[in-house]
Amino acid sequence: AIRITQSPSSLSASTGDRVTITCRASQVISSYLAWYQQKPGKAPKLLIYAASTLQSGVPSRFSGSGSGTDFTLTISCLQSEDFATYYCQHYYSYPWTFGQGTKVEIK
Amino acid sequence: EVQLVESGGGLVQPGGSLRLSCAASGFTFSNYWMNWVRQAPGKGLEWVASIKQDGSEKYYVDSVKGRFTISRDNAKNSLYLQMNSLRAEDTAVYYCARPPHLGELQNGMDVWGQGTTVTVSS
Repeated sequence: AIRITQSPSSLSASTGDRVTITCRASQVISSYLAWYQQKPGKAPKLLIYAASTLQSGVPSRFSGSGSGTDFTLTISCLQSEDFATYYCQHYYSYPWTFGQGTKVEIK
Repeated sequence: EVQLVESGGGLVQPGGSLRLSCAASGFTFSNYWMNWVRQAPGKGLEWVASIKQDGSEKYYVDSVKGRFTISRDNAKNSLYLQMNSLRAEDTAVYYCARPPHLGELQNGMDVWGQGTTVTVSS
């Protein structure tokens, strides 16, 4: 199975900060990567698919980049509603796997 | 409104069985792959299983192969997960989820249910 290593596991940031989260796949997955946001007690929300395509309705401060094995989620100007846990997930082949998650906390 | 509603969770003893259901509405269910994803208490997300539109292809995470079966009834707009030989490590919230686009390729999952909780304990 393809392993996804996500970092950092947590970070503290302030409103207005630029935040970057990375995922590395254990083998080439082309651009078959999605990013999700999850808030406590809620289902995940799809932010980005195909590594860099913004899902409809997602604010433009979210962006994704990368291909092959290295991927990045960037939040350009952190808002209060962005404090949550973020996951990447590959869908290159089965079994799909998620990164371990990054908890974005208020500094 | 596009919606997925899971049901069937509960408390079950180790070795027991449970059948989860996911009722879909607001979209043409038969046009989409469907998935189950779980989340153990305080842990991350884990993909469990996927099924093609016509049920002809099914995929599972290794830890549930031979114990869980994903199925669907397109006439009833419903997705199922039959879980047998349950273990403590299967304790989780189980979500059904749909990809953002119909067709052959799944580009992630953008429609999720609210989840149903499965607890495996004696």
